[in-house]
Amino acid sequence: AQSVTQLDSQVPVFEEAPVELRCNYSSSVSVYLFWYVQYPNQGLQLLLKYLSGSTLVKGINGFEAEFNKSQTSFHLRKPSVHISDTAEYFCAVSQRNNQGGKLIFGQGTELSVKP
Amino acid sequence: DAGVIQSPRHEVTEMGQEVTLRCKPISGHDYLFWYRQTMMRGLELLIYFNNNVPIDDSGMPEDRFSAKMPNASFSTLKIQPSEPRDSAVYFCASRGISTEAFFGQGTRLTVV
Repeated sequence: AQSVTQLDSQVPVFEEAPVELRCNYSSSVSVYLFWYVQYPNQGLQLLLKYLSGSTLVKGINGFEAEFNKSQTSFHLRKPSVHISDTAEYFCAVSQRNNQGGKLIFGQGTELSVKP
Repeated sequence: DAGVIQSPRHEVTEMGQEVTLRCKPISGHDYLFWYRQTMMRGLELLIYFNNNVPIDDSGMPEDRFSAKMPNASFSTLKIQPSEPRDSAVYFCASRGISTEAFFGQGTRLTVV
């Protein structure tokens, strides 16, 4: 079985500062990895995904994440945040062996960007 | 494609009543998921289907919850009887093979 741990439940940061949201996963087989964003009263929207290839993946809104297999991590980063990035962010994992069926989410990290 | 469509967007019901949530996945997607989101428990996977067949329902909290997928374009999540602790936002999502999941806007359920 796989699991996801998001190490920070809340991350406050000032506008234009860099931010890193941490995600670690556990799985006995190879995985696909995802980051989603949820704005208030909305569904989840995909930020970026790692399926294969380069371990550094770029997503929408200037976000990027790096897959580190040895540390089983997939941390999300942005060099300079905006007020509009205030939202909840979810890391998710699915296993490759059954062609990526079950999708498990972490508990979420609430990013709060202050002026 | 209009994306994943859920109905209703909001539902307020009295304890003991039956509640049915509906979902239309994206055409061509093989997987359909039902999630429940609460402040206390975060985003929980309740059940998922592959090609209309339930694969894993270990997240369904109890027998009051049931889900069906009679065809590739429709799924329901039913709670009977409903209880106040079932109040949450319920999300439906669908995905193709080896792709990301696409989420609906959710149904906010309030049981009073």
